[in-house]
Amino acid sequence: QSVLTQPPSASGTPGQRVTISCSGGSSNIGSNYVYWYQQLPGTAPKLLIYKNNQRPSGVPDRFSGSKSGTSASLAISGLRSEDEADYYCVAWDDSLSGFWVFGGGTKLTVL
Amino acid sequence: QVQLQESGPGLVKPSQTLSLTCTVSGGSINSDRYYWNWIRQPAGKGLEWIGRIYTSGSTNYNPSLKSRVTISVDTSKNQFSLKLSSVTAADTAVYYCARGTVIHDYFDYWGQGTLLTVSS
Repeated sequence: QSVLTQPPSASGTPGQRVTISCSGGSSNIGSNYVYWYQQLPGTAPKLLIYKNNQRPSGVPDRFSGSKSGTSASLAISGLRSEDEADYYCVAWDDSLSGFWVFGGGTKLTVL
Repeated sequence: QVQLQESGPGLVKPSQTLSLTCTVSGGSINSDRYYWNWIRQPAGKGLEWIGRIYTSGSTNYNPSLKSRVTISVDTSKNQFSLKLSSVTAADTAVYYCARGTVIHDYFDYWGQGTLLTVSS
């Protein structure tokens, strides 16, 4: 069971806006930044969002992130077929000596 | 362009120690701007962070694996390694190595992953 909680699946049609939630606690999301990664089938994850809402160069502005309290969300607008992938939220957890925690992942299907 | 490449045996017997190496090319591993991570993913499941090492030798481990994990770095070979002891079938997964950036604290480069199967 993952420390960060994500819905196992999400879906939308091309052009729609979808959001994926990520819920944590005071020792992780509540006190640290949230990161989002996209994993296409058979490939390594790719960074989408860092420090809650920052996009690395090359990531379309269709992707956006936000955080409030102990929850975060990833929004994808203008959904495209190539967005079909698994999405993971990640945060540093301050408990014990500190460690990175991942959400369980959300599989996004473009209908 | 920085590249990371995992290497390892592919198959390990239960109770043995798993050893994997990540070779970094296109840049020096010996930099205080980065740290070096191991992350794994069982088939059809999510990602799990195993641990990280700085080239200073400082490490952090996932508490759920800490008693079995050792991560080390060899700057002369531009490599870092993972040892996981007393493996069971639950350790069967694709193992990724990844670079973390100190300034932004994200994983920017990943290896392609290597499948490690635990079976007798």
